[in-house]
Amino acid sequence: DSGVTQTPKHLITATGQRVTLRCSPRSGDLSVYWYQQSLDQGLQFLIQYYNGEERAKGNILERFSAQQFPDLHSELNLSSLELGDSALYFCASSVGSGGIETQYFGPGTRLLVL
Amino acid sequence: GENVEQHPSTLSVQEGDSAVIKCTYSDSASNYFPWYKQELGKGPQLIIDIRSNVGEKKDQRIAVTLNKTAKHFSLHITETQPEDSAVYFCAADPTSGTYKYIFGTGTRLKVLA
Repeated sequence: DSGVTQTPKHLITATGQRVTLRCSPRSGDLSVYWYQQSLDQGLQFLIQYYNGEERAKGNILERFSAQQFPDLHSELNLSSLELGDSALYFCASSVGSGGIETQYFGPGTRLLVL
Repeated sequence: GENVEQHPSTLSVQEGDSAVIKCTYSDSASNYFPWYKQELGKGPQLIIDIRSNVGEKKDQRIAVTLNKTAKHFSLHITETQPEDSAVYFCAADPTSGTYKYIFGTGTRLKVLA
């Protein structure tokens, strides 16, 4: 158990809908990272938040957004969902904002868009 | 930007044999290289990591070697066991200031009993 929690574990929805994925980092970690894992693309970095502020952006679609709250939990919002958004979504956390840091991953949310 | 290539994509070994997974990276400024193990239905779990100032690191049956000149690093698992069966990912942490990992495409390891 990494100490990172994610809810829900599974999510089934329809195209065009909007969903929210939630992540709670390990106690004491200030950074949260979001990754998308699909069969043909491996683990792709989406976005990083550090202590409430956006720190880095990767291949995140404009239909996707995220935020980190004062209690450091984070939410990833996916809107206007398409079939291709079906994937595993992982969050990870680390202690600080940069340097050489280990990222600890949560168990993931499996999203299925029908 | 950084690019990480991982080989092989699948690997089958007999129980008790060794397994080696190799990764190459493109950004010579990368300075941290973690390895993750992902079991079915679970998130990636860190199993070992190495920093650029070290050439080799061992943890029981697992070792990682780093060749900075050639820009490649490898995961070595000795005395493999069925519970080692999983997908293994290498990653590199480029010094671009964004602190995000660039992952390899994964290796599915099957340990045959």
